[in-house]
Amino acid sequence: SQKIEQNSEALNIQEGKTATLTCNYTNYSPAYLQWYRQDPGRGPVFLLLIRENEKEKRKERLKVTFDTTLKQSLFHITASQPADSATYLCALVPYSSASKIIFGSGTRLSIRP
Amino acid sequence: NAGVTQTPKFRVLKTGQSMTLLCAQDMNHEYMYWYRQDPGMGLRLIHYSVGEGTTAKGEVPDGYNVSRLKKQNFLLGLESAAPSQTSVYFCASSFQQGSGYTFGSGTRLTVV
Repeated sequence: SQKIEQNSEALNIQEGKTATLTCNYTNYSPAYLQWYRQDPGRGPVFLLLIRENEKEKRKERLKVTFDTTLKQSLFHITASQPADSATYLCALVPYSSASKIIFGSGTRLSIRP
Repeated sequence: NAGVTQTPKFRVLKTGQSMTLLCAQDMNHEYMYWYRQDPGMGLRLIHYSVGEGTTAKGEVPDGYNVSRLKKQNFLLGLESAAPSQTSVYFCASSFQQGSGYTFGSGTRLTVV
């Protein structure tokens, strides 16, 4: 069956460290992956998109990698800050239907001072 | 710079009642989507639209209908609400297929 999985357990990181979140997928052929941030009671906010033929994408303190062999994307936040605490969602855009993006259930990240 | 606006923000319905959720975007986006989000589950696509006058079914369309009479508006209707439709509903829009979505702030619906 087709699945997109993120670590369901919360990730607790000391301020200043690098936070790394994982997104794994099975039985999909993604054109690209997206990452979103969601704060409690709010809608998701788009952060980054990485295409199938890109290995890495950066935006300020954020870095995303995409390994189609491992069927995995990693999302890194360097020099993490308490304000980075949120739930982070990965979303897969399949080749078969780019209008039907599939979202993971998210990983809650907490940055402690 | 309103982006995507959803109304209402909260609603409590009795089983069997009907209601319409309104989504409006001011970014001239072609694509619009309705998702529901339940605890422990990812966002699930209910219906979507690739342009004015068009709609299509997503992953969980049963019990919902939609209309896109104007480009900027996407309406989600529940004809006969059921407790299983208790959820947080998000509307989103995008400039093109696969590009980053802009989400509204959500509607929290409880069906008793």
